[in-house]
Amino acid sequence: DQQVKQNSPSLSVQEGRISILNCDYTNSMFDYFLWYKKYPAEGPTFLISISSIKDKNEDGRFTVFLNKSAKHLSLHIVPSQPGDSAVYFCATSDSWGKLQFGAGTQVVVTP
Amino acid sequence: DAGITQSPRHKVTETGTPVTLRCHQTENHRYMYWYRQDPGHGLRLIHYSYGVKDTDKGEVSDGYSVSRSKTEDFLLTLESATSSQTSVYFCANKGAFSTDTQYFGPGTRLTVL
Repeated sequence: DQQVKQNSPSLSVQEGRISILNCDYTNSMFDYFLWYKKYPAEGPTFLISISSIKDKNEDGRFTVFLNKSAKHLSLHIVPSQPGDSAVYFCATSDSWGKLQFGAGTQVVVTP
Repeated sequence: DAGITQSPRHKVTETGTPVTLRCHQTENHRYMYWYRQDPGHGLRLIHYSYGVKDTDKGEVSDGYSVSRSKTEDFLLTLESATSSQTSVYFCANKGAFSTDTQYFGPGTRLTVL
């Protein structure tokens, strides 16, 4: 049973607007969360992370929000750019660095 | 930058043949991982290593074995490939701290006919 879920397989957004990607997890023991971005025929690249002691982390155009009570995290991309078109994975990490990934959300940014 | 190379990048093989995928890192990172990516599943952990000769199973380890005789190399072996092992395989590495970033290699696309 998947413990990390991304329920939206795809998202289409206009250039310049906000992209919001969502992720839900089931295990309240998870305490470190990450977002990766993946282009076709390449490995995933790290985007941003957040630990459970925080509820928000920002890095440039990317902000991750964590709602521990709802077991939900989201990634906001503002403003969206054509180069942001990719598959985005959320993941949780344990102390060994073992990652559990969601199924991914394909983002398409249109002009 | 991961400093990770994977070889081969593409391979086609037949059911029942042994296959070994190689992951090489230029850093001396303690942790290395093998994942597979399949549609609808994201990436799933096969095996990981926390040091030379120290390895453990991940979520989908059946049919796979690994070896790590040197810090820089982590090998994934399919003893007898099956069609269900057709997938894209990614290697990753990470430093010693729990919050160190995990970096991924470019992947190996394996097709088992």
